[in-house]
Amino acid sequence: DAKTTQPNSMESNEEEPVHLPCNHSTISGTDYIHWYRQLPSQGPEYVIHGLTSNVNNRMASLAIAEDRKSSTLILHRATLRDAAVYYCILRDTRGSTLGRLYFGRGTQLTVWP
Amino acid sequence: ETGVTQSPTHLIKTRGQQVTLRCSSQSGHNTVSWYQQALGQGPQFIFQYYREEENGRGNFPPRFSGLQFPNYSSELNVNALELDDSALYLCASSIAGLGIGDTQYFGPGTRLTVL
Repeated sequence: DAKTTQPNSMESNEEEPVHLPCNHSTISGTDYIHWYRQLPSQGPEYVIHGLTSNVNNRMASLAIAEDRKSSTLILHRATLRDAAVYYCILRDTRGSTLGRLYFGRGTQLTVWP
Repeated sequence: ETGVTQSPTHLIKTRGQQVTLRCSSQSGHNTVSWYQQALGQGPQFIFQYYREEENGRGNFPPRFSGLQFPNYSSELNVNALELDDSALYLCASSIAGLGIGDTQYFGPGTRLTVL
């Protein structure tokens, strides 16, 4: 399964934008980029996903590099509730659609008041 | 719509014992996946069930087994517990067939401690 590389930790102040980077230099043309996050004492939750174009939803934005070898999850205004571990995951579209998730160690985001 | 629930919340066992963890998927979800999360690590895929049959397994030995039932519930069974089995066990449900956008919904997990 394709690997992703993320910084171990990042910090932000409340109400400031946060840019969480992810490198995936071995991404294939059929891999989607997914982001999940895990708040303390909870299971992971879906944040956003994309293939080639930038994506926006109510939680975040996903900016994908033109060569698709990197992406950035953008939280436009961090809140204390955004403190979590953020996972960048590549999911293959080939074969079965019953895709399972392969997590790395993720980025621990700390938000300061 | 209720979320994914897991029971028990916490569990303590001793080496060599057997354990059964339970998960109740969201209504209508036909796929359940189980993950093991050691402290400080990301979740690791154990196996997945689709319409009550195993559909893929990660790098876990056969003493990890599972069942999926028609009522959207599922079980993870671990035999001959070892100290390294101490972890948070997560289940996730989804609806297969929706393509790559199928979101997985995770439960809060069961914290298993093996002494």
